Amino acid sequence: NAGVMQNPRHLVRRRGQEARLRCSPMKGHSHVYWYRQLPEEGLKFMVYLQKENIIDESGMPKERFSAEFPKEGPSILRIQQVVRGDSAAYFCASSPPGLAGKDNEQFFGPGTRLTVL
Amino acid sequence: DQQVKQNSPSLSVQEGRISILNCDYTNSMFDYFLWYKKYPAEGPTFLISISSIKDKNEDGRFTVFLNKSAKHLSLHIVPSQPGDSAVYFCAASRLGAGSYQLTFGKGTKLSVIP
Repeated sequence: NAGVMQNPRHLVRRRGQEARLRCSPMKGHSHVYWYRQLPEEGLKFMVYLQKENIIDESGMPKERFSAEFPKEGPSILRIQQVVRGDSAAYFCASSPPGLAGKDNEQFFGPGTRLTVL
Repeated sequence: DQQVKQNSPSLSVQEGRISILNCDYTNSMFDYFLWYKKYPAEGPTFLISISSIKDKNEDGRFTVFLNKSAKHLSLHIVPSQPGDSAVYFCAASRLGAGSYQLTFGKGTKLSVIP
């Protein structure tokens, strides 16, 4: 049973370009979460999605950032017109339906490291 | 405003001894707490959790203690092994409020010396 998959693992963009980060949850999981980790910081919640629904986007920056989890295919975190401050590791997590699985346990992917030049 | 604090950025422990990692929180609405372990260039891996209705949860070498009145929890690893060397994150959530988002501390880097 494959774990949470994220791609690409590393992404380099120039200022003003768009970044698309993909996340495929574990098999059977229908809840997806995105977190961002800046250097020397803990992970910060960005958004929580279920299939075709954004449930909680309280951690998303108001501009340039968007997320989706379509009926088919991976979840996408999209960052438009990237700036240097967007450089970070972006982690996706998933959990099964119901009460977020066992003890609200979220299973994390390996992350995408975004570097903005 | 950091709601989950891990005040020790690093900790070194001899192999075979006990490792104690501490975590404090400020939001009294948190009702579920988790510990994750993270190796470089990997995602966090779930270790153990505890509900606010309990004060202790044990799983093998890992025990988490919760002191609600002090808003403090700790992770005990005994005996410590070199493979335990990693960054440990404390996280909290408000399940009772229907919120599944995890609020993380900044992490403590544990080094277990052989």
